[in-house]
Amino acid sequence: AQRVTQPEKLLSVFKGAPVELKCNYSYSGSPELFWYVQYSRQRLQLLLRHISRESIKGFTADLNKGETSFHLKKPFAQEEDSAMYYCALSGWQTGANNLFFGTGTRLTVIP
Amino acid sequence: NAGVTQTPKFQVLKTGQSMTLQCAQDMNHNSMYWYRQDPGMGLRLIYYSASEGTTDKGEVPNGYNVSRLNKREFSLRLESAAPSQTSVYFCASVVARHNEQFFGPGTRLTVL
Repeated sequence: AQRVTQPEKLLSVFKGAPVELKCNYSYSGSPELFWYVQYSRQRLQLLLRHISRESIKGFTADLNKGETSFHLKKPFAQEEDSAMYYCALSGWQTGANNLFFGTGTRLTVIP
Repeated sequence: NAGVTQTPKFQVLKTGQSMTLQCAQDMNHNSMYWYRQDPGMGLRLIYYSASEGTTDKGEVPNGYNVSRLNKREFSLRLESAAPSQTSVYFCASVVARHNEQFFGPGTRLTVL
């Protein structure tokens, strides 16, 4: 069965410091990995996906199949990055376009 | 485009009462989903509809029923609400070729 683990429920960093939100997964096959973000009073929205290999709002995430990880990184955190972040995977085991979410990490960037 | 809309935004029920949460999307998406979001548990899939006329159980379907009324609308029904169903409910839809889910604003449900 698939599993997505986000070991940190809460993460606080100072503005300008690097930030890394961890995500590990368990899945038989080749899943598609995503990061979704929920800012205060806003809808959950896609931040980035591994197949795009792009940087969004300064965030990047590399899929490491050997370590089964998809950590989210940003070199210099900003106050507007404070939000709830969810790692999610999709694949044939989850059903058509279905997402399986981790438990989330609440990031707080301290001014 | 309104995207994904949900009604109501807030609801308080007594144990045993029934209600239907409504969801609609105007993006011509084929697939629609209902999730619940609970502290420390993330989002869990309740039911999904891969296309109009089909529905399937997700991870936590017990106590819920769904109806895919047409391509735009996907409703979630609680026949006999229980305190364990206190949660925030999100509806989502997806454009298949990009596999990006678009979420509604959520319904905060409290069952007393």
